[in-house]
Amino acid sequence: QVQLVESGGGVVQPGRSLRLSCAASGFTFSMYGMQWVRQAPGKGLEWVAVISYDGGVQYYADSVKGRFTISRDSSKSTLSLQMNSLRGDDTAVYYCAKEKTPKTATTFDYWGQGTLVTVSS
Amino acid sequence: DIQMTQSPSSESASVGDRVTITCRASQDISTRLAWFRQKPGKAPELLIFDAFYSQSGVPSRFSGSGYGTDFALTINSLQPEDSATYYCQQAKTFPWTFGQGTKVEVK
Repeated sequence: QVQLVESGGGVVQPGRSLRLSCAASGFTFSMYGMQWVRQAPGKGLEWVAVISYDGGVQYYADSVKGRFTISRDSSKSTLSLQMNSLRGDDTAVYYCAKEKTPKTATTFDYWGQGTLVTVSS
Repeated sequence: DIQMTQSPSSESASVGDRVTITCRASQDISTRLAWFRQKPGKAPELLIFDAFYSQSGVPSRFSGSGYGTDFALTINSLQPEDSATYYCQQAKTFPWTFGQGTKVEVK
């Protein structure tokens, strides 16, 4: 069965960096685009970034562009999100999610359980 | 960016009722719309994709409709486990965007 397990969250000071990881299993990782979505406490869902199945294309939300970098290692079936210059409004639960259709940018059919990032001094 | 507007923001209904949530896109997204259910403290789960196709394993009481800019999620015969927040999401153009959510309470 498909499993997505995020890690790397925690408390970090404003301006510092943090790297999130998502370990994938139960599907052919190299065939699917992957995404990050976040949810601030008590708020709705916000799409953050996407990376294509082959890693060749990435898109970012304006709110994180230039500060966050999405990457993947298909040899390890791992998705990453490098977050730099963190701000208070980056505080959220970060979910990794698998695209539904192979090699096609579509919606997400499986989500991880999320990892909480708290940006605070 | 494409703006997604859901209504209502919240809904309270009884077991067995029919509930309809609407979602309006700020521009034509064809059928590139998904619906998610999120229970408290849990990750969202996909209910409907491409506007009206049900995800595998989703109960048949959930159905989606619409095209272009106006969409709806209907829950027939509401069940206690349907207490959750529901989100629409457009997958037409990056950045993908979500509606603000509709909280459904089952009385």
